[in-house]
Amino acid sequence: DAKTTQPPSMDCAEGRAANLPCNHSTISGNEYVYWYRQIHSQGPQYIIHGLKNNETNEMASLIITEDRKSSTLILPHATLRDTAVYYCIVGVTTLGRLYFGRGTQLTVWP
Amino acid sequence: DVKVTQSSRYLVKRTGEKVFLECVQDMDHENMFWYRQDPGLGLRLIYFSYDVKMKEKGDIPEGYSVSREKKERFSLILESASTNQTSMYLCATMLGTSEPLRGTGELFFGEGSRLTVL
Repeated sequence: DAKTTQPPSMDCAEGRAANLPCNHSTISGNEYVYWYRQIHSQGPQYIIHGLKNNETNEMASLIITEDRKSSTLILPHATLRDTAVYYCIVGVTTLGRLYFGRGTQLTVWP
Repeated sequence: DVKVTQSSRYLVKRTGEKVFLECVQDMDHENMFWYRQDPGLGLRLIYFSYDVKMKEKGDIPEGYSVSREKKERFSLILESASTNQTSMYLCATMLGTSEPLRGTGELFFGEGSRLTVL
């Protein structure tokens, strides 16, 4: 059930900001936007989530457009260790269903 | 830190064998999940559980069953393994909250169990 659209791959220079876009034009009013990442051979790792307002934590910032149809995950100073597949997910946890699509492969180069 | 431990990192089994994948968490989370991950298909939810002895089907429950006899342990069972169940299996937990969300949305994953069925 593809509720989000992400570019399959992106790259970024080390030390620069990585801006990962996500389209979710059919998002419902009660659905949150979640971001996870998966480093090769590891389980996915939670990054951040939000409903309407922009959010920031120690890992990243999440910018959600006013109409909530798209969002951007920002890694302010990308490092080589940020190379991973990044998943943008919309959903409500009530049914435990957070659909992980194919994500964006972010490659950070030196 | 939340620790989610999966019993085996790599398993090789034969077609028709019964397979148990164990997952143990140490953070008292109410919700536990089993996913499988396959190239090109992403993560797909097999089963989940909101509480002890409680289970609900995910999107691909066929060929699998689960057991949650204790809060910290969630087991995935393949009654008769088949080659199309060769996959990476990921266990995850989530802290429970009140209705309607029932969970924070923050999943904590184990390192995965790579199962090969010959």
